[in-house]
Amino acid sequence: GAGVSQSPSNKVTEKGKDVELRCDPISGHTALYWYRQSLGQGLEFLIYFQGNSAPDKSGLPSDRFSAERTGGSVSTLTIQRTQQEDSAVYLCASSLVGGGLKNIQYFGAGTRLSVL
Amino acid sequence: AQTVTQSQPEMSVQEAETVTLSCTYDTSESDYYLFWYKQPPSRQMILVIRQEAYKQQNATENRFSVNFQKAAKSFSLKISDSQLGDAAMYFCAYRSGYETSGSRLTFGEGTQLTVNP
Repeated sequence: GAGVSQSPSNKVTEKGKDVELRCDPISGHTALYWYRQSLGQGLEFLIYFQGNSAPDKSGLPSDRFSAERTGGSVSTLTIQRTQQEDSAVYLCASSLVGGGLKNIQYFGAGTRLSVL
Repeated sequence: AQTVTQSQPEMSVQEAETVTLSCTYDTSESDYYLFWYKQPPSRQMILVIRQEAYKQQNATENRFSVNFQKAAKSFSLKISDSQLGDAAMYFCAYRSGYETSGSRLTFGEGTQLTVNP
């Protein structure tokens, strides 16, 4: 696609429910990133996928958070048993991989998650 | 761990004037990249300008330029001839140049820029 696409744009859920957020990266980008943007914590890294390598999950805040990337393209971020503190904007980015500035990250418009 | 600090939560500028947004960072690495991203109300982060740490020359992109002071670990953004469309949240970001450190971006807290007509 022309840019990084995220869906849904907005999601309202009840505390304790599971949610899935989707990211469709730019075609040909082998690297994919998830970030969370919240009022209290600012912008923080969650997880990074690169090709067939094991993902870097070091930013996931708890075991309620998981992500997968199927076929090296679309990624889904799943939050189980949502809590009110999970309310945030979840941003996805993709990039090429290579030295120097080849791996500029391009962002989607994010999913605003509200947990009631 | 690297940190990025933006000490100006809000800034305002008159249309057609010049404004400078501040950013400082802390790192022990010698190979890294610095970025300024703009986030309008649409939420989509847009890359404004980037700088490789090994380059002494300051990056410029049309009305946007940076003042990169490596020794002081400072990376400020200057916007010349400000336009109404420049109004947005601006984030300074750091990325390591070492593969072992990963490709994640570390962001500052952001500066909300208002452009007054």
